[in-house]
Amino acid sequence: SAVISQKPSRDICQRGTSLTIQCQVDSQVTMMFWYRQQPGQSLTLIATANQGSEATYESGFVIDKFPISRPNLTFSTLTVSNMSPEDSSIYLCSVDPGGGWGNEQFFGPGTRLTVL
Amino acid sequence: AQKITQTQPGMFVQEKEAVTLDCTYDTSDQSYGLFWYKQPSSGEMIFLIYQGSYDEQNATEGRYSLNFQKARKSANLVISASQLGDSAMYFCAMREGRGADGLTFGKGTHLIIQP
Repeated sequence: SAVISQKPSRDICQRGTSLTIQCQVDSQVTMMFWYRQQPGQSLTLIATANQGSEATYESGFVIDKFPISRPNLTFSTLTVSNMSPEDSSIYLCSVDPGGGWGNEQFFGPGTRLTVL
Repeated sequence: AQKITQTQPGMFVQEKEAVTLDCTYDTSDQSYGLFWYKQPSSGEMIFLIYQGSYDEQNATEGRYSLNFQKARKSANLVISASQLGDSAMYFCAMREGRGADGLTFGKGTHLIIQP
């Protein structure tokens, strides 16, 4: 299993600013993922962040808007840049400690972002 | 086309009854995994059950079972003897490709258990 913490847990930001979200895992993991959950919606994968390689972004998400760092096997950051009210969402990181099909992806508690 | 379809936006069920949450999926991969997660109002994502595409038996985890019908591309979640604490959003999700990808989620079903 894996225990994941995220900082901040919530924030209220002004449009045009940027926010960096931190994700810390209590064990070394290769695969880490970032998801967005817009209000009342399901989860959408933003990107996959593996240590030692550039993050891989899903369709509709770009590096300039959501830059990601993965400096080691227990930590990652997601930055939401030049924010607008449409970026108001819960951002969740998740990890796959075991790798492969049958392994649970563990989720962090999420960062609730409100953009005014 | 949606990869994961959950056709029940909301369901009301009497306590102690069994409930089936529907999920159909779309993939051309031979190898894939299907997951169910529960999200209570607190927002945390709680893993419930997993079914692999090559698993011949339906997965079970306590009160949860997955009714896997591969030919129909269906992976319904069955909760037996529902409890008030089962009230939550339930998401069906799929993992495709080499297993190195993230999950694709359905829109979810909001389950409310009534006393």
